[in-house]
Amino acid sequence: DSGVTQTPKHLITATGQRVTLRCSPRSGDLSVYWYQQSLDQGLQFLIQYYNGEERAKGNILERFSAQQFPDLHSELNLSSLELGDSALYFCASSPRTVMGVGYTFGSGTRLTVV
Amino acid sequence: DAKTTQPTSMDCAEGRAANLPCNHSTISGNEYVYWYRQIHSQGPQYIIHGLKNNETNEMASLIITEDRKSSTLILPHATLRDTAVYYCIVNIMSPDKLIFGTGTRLQVFP
Repeated sequence: DSGVTQTPKHLITATGQRVTLRCSPRSGDLSVYWYQQSLDQGLQFLIQYYNGEERAKGNILERFSAQQFPDLHSELNLSSLELGDSALYFCASSPRTVMGVGYTFGSGTRLTVV
Repeated sequence: DAKTTQPTSMDCAEGRAANLPCNHSTISGNEYVYWYRQIHSQGPQYIIHGLKNNETNEMASLIITEDRKSSTLILPHATLRDTAVYYCIVNIMSPDKLIFGTGTRLQVFP
């Protein structure tokens, strides 16, 4: 157990639907990062939140949004889903400053759009 | 874009040392070299990181050249469970985001 919890582990939904992925960071970590990994593709950075505020944005579609709540957990919302959105979605967390491990990843949510 | 260049794939015999190279010729003075690995669709796993000195932990050793333009990750006694994609990343410390490249697919064979 890495300390970063992602739910659900698997999700199957139809095109056009909306889903929410949840991430609970490691205790004490202030930053949450979301990544997308399509089949046989690399890890694409989507968005980062730091202590409740958006800090950095990557290749995130307008149909996708995220937020980080006061208790520091984060949700990634995917709407108007398309077949191409099928992927693994990973969340990572890190503390304010790194001494040692730093970035810790969850086990991911596998999204299948049918 | 990723700031590192790694070979696409490598093979290593079980029990032998696996030496994974990484080129990061444009690294800045305040950027660290991180190594992560991903075992078959699991979440990436931290291995080691360093700034300028060589580093060693229970998993691996990291050798950084004096000019810091390249580094090598060494798994001293590779096992079948080390088969994974290994990512070399240069980054300032947290809370900056990690940008992954394509990595090296290491296959450890019996």
